[in-house]
Amino acid sequence: ILNVEQSPQSLHVQEGDSTNFTCSFPSSNFYALHWYRWETAKSPEALFVMTLNGDEKKKGRISATLNTKEGYSYLYIKGSQPEDSATYLCALINNAGNMLTFGGGTRLMVKP
Amino acid sequence: GAGVSQTPSNKVTEKGKYVELRCDPISGHTALYWYRQSLGQGPEFLIYFQGTGAADDSGLPNDRFFAVRPEGSVSTLKIQRTERGDSAVYLCASSLSGGITDTQYFGPGTRLTVL
Repeated sequence: ILNVEQSPQSLHVQEGDSTNFTCSFPSSNFYALHWYRWETAKSPEALFVMTLNGDEKKKGRISATLNTKEGYSYLYIKGSQPEDSATYLCALINNAGNMLTFGGGTRLMVKP
Repeated sequence: GAGVSQTPSNKVTEKGKYVELRCDPISGHTALYWYRQSLGQGPEFLIYFQGTGAADDSGLPNDRFFAVRPEGSVSTLKIQRTERGDSAVYLCASSLSGGITDTQYFGPGTRLTVL
């Protein structure tokens, strides 16, 4: 059973602030890590799929890094906007590619 | 194009009743997944289909839960003798072929409330 942890559980920031949060996972048996953004009453939206140690991916103001040797990934949001308010989930895929194991999520609230 | 859709969006039922939750995956996706999200937690895996067959049902909590995908497209999650602990958001996802780096595209979920 994989143990995926996210911190903090929730985060309140002001519009314009940059922020980051963490996804921690066991460094052994790593295959791939997925990041999702889930806004209330909508479908979880795929942000990134990361596989290689040292990988860095970017989508607009959001970026993510991956360290598979020490077992963590960071998600960064530059210049937060109210529309960034959502729960951000990370998940590890198993070797069969059929099961995502999710962390508990980080709930981000951006105040205008 | 159309994403993953799920119906109903909300379902309220009484303890002991039977419910069916439907998932329409993205056309052409062979892999289909069901997850369940309880309050304050991340989604938890229930079952995975590759085509018509359930390739991994290790996440189903007990034999009250069953899922089918008879034609390799639409899937139905069936819950018998519902219990209050079954209350959760049930999410469906599909991916092109089920590979490790394939993106799983999620539907909006069905919020099940068992009174």
